[in-house]
Amino acid sequence: NAGVTQTPKFQVLKTGQSMTLQCAQDMNHNSMYWYRQDPGMGLRLIYYSASEGTTDKGEVPNGYNVSRLNKREFSLRLESAAPSQTSVYFCASPPDSGSSYEQYFGPGTRLTVT
Amino acid sequence: DQQVKQNSPSLSVQEGRISILNCDYTNSMFDYFLWYKKYPAEGPTFLISISSIKDKNEDGRFTVFLNKSAKHLSLHIVPSQPGDSAVYFCVGSGGSNYKLTFGKGTLLTVNP
Repeated sequence: NAGVTQTPKFQVLKTGQSMTLQCAQDMNHNSMYWYRQDPGMGLRLIYYSASEGTTDKGEVPNGYNVSRLNKREFSLRLESAAPSQTSVYFCASPPDSGSSYEQYFGPGTRLTVT
Repeated sequence: DQQVKQNSPSLSVQEGRISILNCDYTNSMFDYFLWYKKYPAEGPTFLISISSIKDKNEDGRFTVFLNKSAKHLSLHIVPSQPGDSAVYFCVGSGGSNYKLTFGKGTLLTVNP
């Protein structure tokens, strides 16, 4: 039982390149979330998926697209990377029956755009 | 508009003493408040939470206090241990879809 896994762990892109960040959870949860964390900042919500087949924008969605491929997997795509997207990206998933809004986080993907 | 504010970027305490981390919020719609702990190169891990209708929640060495009238909460760690050294995020949550609003974090260093 790995919880939330993310690939890759590190990535360097040139401006204008594209890439997809992968996230998978083996806890059979309905909801999944993508956050970014910039230096000295808290995590900010990019996109979320309340259930398979649905996605919604969070606080900072510009420049990103997402796909909820199935219940386990939620991917984040950068179509044309920009230096402002240099950040650490975290995927998270809360239990379906949780009452305190606790979310389980993956280990993160550190992305640098040059 | 920063809905959750942690005004102390860092805090240093001696092992065995109390650590008090503070947080202020502006959004009255939060249902729950959570504290997350984050070590370098790892994802945040849930530490403790409190419902907006409570004023205290305790779990072992960790206690969270909520003062709704002041829109202020605090996390107390007693006794502090070197392994507690990490960044602590204060988080507000409310409404549908479990959205979390993070503060900027406080780096706690516990010196042996």
